[in-house]
Amino acid sequence: DGGITQSPKYLFRKEGQNVTLSCEQNLNHDAMYWYRQDPGQGLRLIYYSQIVNDFQKGDIAEGYSVSREKKESFPLTVTSAQKNPTAFYLCASTLAGGSEQFFGPGTRLTVL
Amino acid sequence: EDQVTQSPEALRLQEGESSSLNCSYTVSGLRGLFWYRQDPGKGPEFLFTLYSAGEEKEKERLKATLTKKESFLHITAPKPEDSATYLCAVQGSNYKLTFGKGTLLTVNP
Repeated sequence: DGGITQSPKYLFRKEGQNVTLSCEQNLNHDAMYWYRQDPGQGLRLIYYSQIVNDFQKGDIAEGYSVSREKKESFPLTVTSAQKNPTAFYLCASTLAGGSEQFFGPGTRLTVL
Repeated sequence: EDQVTQSPEALRLQEGESSSLNCSYTVSGLRGLFWYRQDPGKGPEFLFTLYSAGEEKEKERLKATLTKKESFLHITAPKPEDSATYLCAVQGSNYKLTFGKGTLLTVNP
């Protein structure tokens, strides 16, 4: 079955730690995205990548980093510089030139 | 700056009671308006894309419509399994999606 997988489903981080969230897709989509969802707010774009080895900052990139070494994978690192990282993180993908973004199941990150 | 406002924030219906959700938007160069359904603790599930004013799309009990300023998601004779948060998003000339905060729909049996 084609789809987007995210792992882990739940992640706990201590103050000062970097953590990496995984996103993998087997849809042969070209573009991938990371969003953050907080209660009472719309999804906000963190980073996006339209091709391998290239990515751009979204609206709230500070404290996050990404890589795109393979078409199928777009991991997100939440660094210690992100002051309020507790949130629900969503990965999405779409075909090049496509419009509909398809989402993974999400990772809930909690800072202890 | 693209903006999306969804109303109401929450809507409670009885099973079989039809209603509509609203999505008002301002966007530079609309490339598409999207509706998603999101269940608690899960990722959004794609429902519809609308591209131009006057367009309509249907799926089971849901029907989405689009004007130059807003979109409606009509729910006909809803069932409890339709309970979810419904998200609206627009894609403008910069290809980015701007999301509204969503409408939490609860359908009581």
